[in-house]
Amino acid sequence: QKEVEQDPGPLSVPEGAIVSLNCTYSNSAFQYFMWYRQYSRKGPELLMYTYSSGNKEDGRFTAQVDKSSKYISLFIRDSQPSDSATYLCAMSGAGGFKTIFGAGTRLFVKA
Amino acid sequence: DAGITQSPRYKITETGRQVTLMCHQTWSHSYMFWYRQDLGHGLRLIYYSAAADITDKGEVSDGYVVSRSKTENFPLTLESATRSQTSVYFCASRLGGSTGELFFGEGSRLTVL
Repeated sequence: QKEVEQDPGPLSVPEGAIVSLNCTYSNSAFQYFMWYRQYSRKGPELLMYTYSSGNKEDGRFTAQVDKSSKYISLFIRDSQPSDSATYLCAMSGAGGFKTIFGAGTRLFVKA
Repeated sequence: DAGITQSPRYKITETGRQVTLMCHQTWSHSYMFWYRQDLGHGLRLIYYSAAADITDKGEVSDGYVVSRSKTENFPLTLESATRSQTSVYFCASRLGGSTGELFFGEGSRLTVL
């Protein structure tokens, strides 16, 4: 079993839809949770960064972490065609140097 | 330009040849990483380095060698390339510690025939 599980999609939604992306993980030592966005033929870029459980909002993006369920989510409101990309969840533990990534979910937002 | 740069961006080679992928960062970040990205696997860590002359293996290090004689450079060498090493390779850096943002290069797309 992988440490981090993420549905690769693809996920196709109409413009303006609310998008929900999710990851589950097995290592209870993870404390730092991230979402990276990767456009085609580009490197990943950090989108959201959260510590421990709770919610974090940044514009149209909301990240949620539920450590009791080992489940993290990214919500995108009013999705735009420019949101079409691959979204990778990532996580790391305190004192560890390694960041573990999910497989990434490909998202297509249709105009 | 400031940032993290990888070269070459595209490379085709043959089985058994040695290949070196270069990575250079201008931020003086302590930590540098090499990942490979394959469909269905996401990003998998090959090697990382905490500082010059300090390197350690990741989860998929077999067949790869790294060095870090200077803080800003972190080359990745495939000593004898195999078809299974066909992949997109990403170099990344981080200022320090276990937290904080990873900054990625644009990637090097390697095909081994």
